Amino acid sequence: SQQGEEDPQALSIQEGENATMNCSYKTSINNLQWYRQNSGRGLVHLILIRSNEREKHSGRLRVTLDTSKKSSSLLITASRAADTASYFCASISSNTGKLIFGQGTTLQVKP
Amino acid sequence: DAGVIQSPRHEVTEMGQEVTLRCKPISGHDYLFWYRQTMMRGLELLIYFNNNVPIDDSGMPEDRFSAKMPNASFSTLKIQPSEPRDSAVYFCASTTSGGHYTGELFFGEGSRLTVL
Repeated sequence: SQQGEEDPQALSIQEGENATMNCSYKTSINNLQWYRQNSGRGLVHLILIRSNEREKHSGRLRVTLDTSKKSSSLLITASRAADTASYFCASISSNTGKLIFGQGTTLQVKP
Repeated sequence: DAGVIQSPRHEVTEMGQEVTLRCKPISGHDYLFWYRQTMMRGLELLIYFNNNVPIDDSGMPEDRFSAKMPNASFSTLKIQPSEPRDSAVYFCASTTSGGHYTGELFFGEGSRLTVL
């Protein structure tokens, strides 16, 4: 079963706009990560936020975590065509210790 | 540095045939994971190893699937006999002990399996 559910499933924006993706999870977590997957490629780790953190930044990425709502969001600012990819949240369940991925959000950034 | 290396990148086979997927983790990483990705089920964790020992294989779908890690630099995922519903992209990922607890995995490019 999926630990995380993501919203929206697909997102299409113009270059320069911001993109926001949301993730909800089910069980207690140690941390939450976001990964990116370009078409036909493997996943690449983007950013990690620990369960005791509320917000984290890395370049054009901003991640928030609300443990009371069991949710996280990934914001990509000033999007570029090269940001076109699928984005997955992933979390390690405190119960099982396994890293489980959400279904992902497919982002298309139009030039 | 070389990343996680998987082979083959693409495999097309007929139902009933044996399929072997291979993975070379990043040198020095002591955790290795096999995931399967499909449109319907997303990314599923099949099995993971620590120091070459299988730790959790509860995600392996059935007895037709088996995985081995004979040494720190090589792992295989075998499907025998293969069925059309096994068609998917299979990913290998590795990390260090510290990375395991943080969840920062390094993925290979995947092996796309099509079973006709």
